[in-house]
Amino acid sequence: DIQMTQSPSSLSASVGDRVTITCRASQSIRTYLNWYQQKSGKAPKLLIYAASSLQGGVPSRFSGSGSGTDFTLTVSGLQPEDFATYYCQQSYTSPLTFGGGTKVEIK
Amino acid sequence: QVQLVQSGAEVKKPGASVKVSCKPSGYTFNSYYIHWVRQAPGQGLEWMGWINPYSGGTKYAQKIQGRVTVTWDMSISAAYMELSRLRSDDTAVYYCARDLVGGLYNSFEYWGQGTLVTVSS
Repeated sequence: DIQMTQSPSSLSASVGDRVTITCRASQSIRTYLNWYQQKSGKAPKLLIYAASSLQGGVPSRFSGSGSGTDFTLTVSGLQPEDFATYYCQQSYTSPLTFGGGTKVEIK
Repeated sequence: QVQLVQSGAEVKKPGASVKVSCKPSGYTFNSYYIHWVRQAPGQGLEWMGWINPYSGGTKYAQKIQGRVTVTWDMSISAAYMELSRLRSDDTAVYYCARDLVGGLYNSFEYWGQGTLVTVSS
């Protein structure tokens, strides 16, 4: 199975900050990488697919980059509604696997 | 608009089975795979498997293969996930999710609201 490792597991940030979350795959997954946002008690929401494609309706302050084994999710100008947990997920091969999550909290 | 509506919470005893339904609406059902993902309390996300509503084909995570069965009922256009021989560590919120594009893209664009399954003696 492909292991997905996210870092950090949690971070504290202020409104307006630029936040970067990294995700590393245990083998190359080319650009088969997705990012989700999950708020407490809610289903996850797709933010980025294919490593860097912004899902429709997602604000442009969210961006993704990377290929192979190393990926990043960047939030440029954190907003109050962005405080949540973020997960990466590889869509390269079964079993589909997720990173452990990054909880973004208010500083 | 696209919606996936799941059945309600369940409480089961260890060793029993549970069957969760997922009723999509707002799109052409046969064109999109349906996945099942679960999340134990306070934990991360775990993919369980998918079904192709057009062919009925399925694929499961090896970890739970043999205990999980995903089906599609064409008569009412609904997906079902049945998990058997339940254990306490199967306690989780179970989500169905629709794939991003027609065919198998392995990304989850639309999600159900989740169904809490509690396994307790």
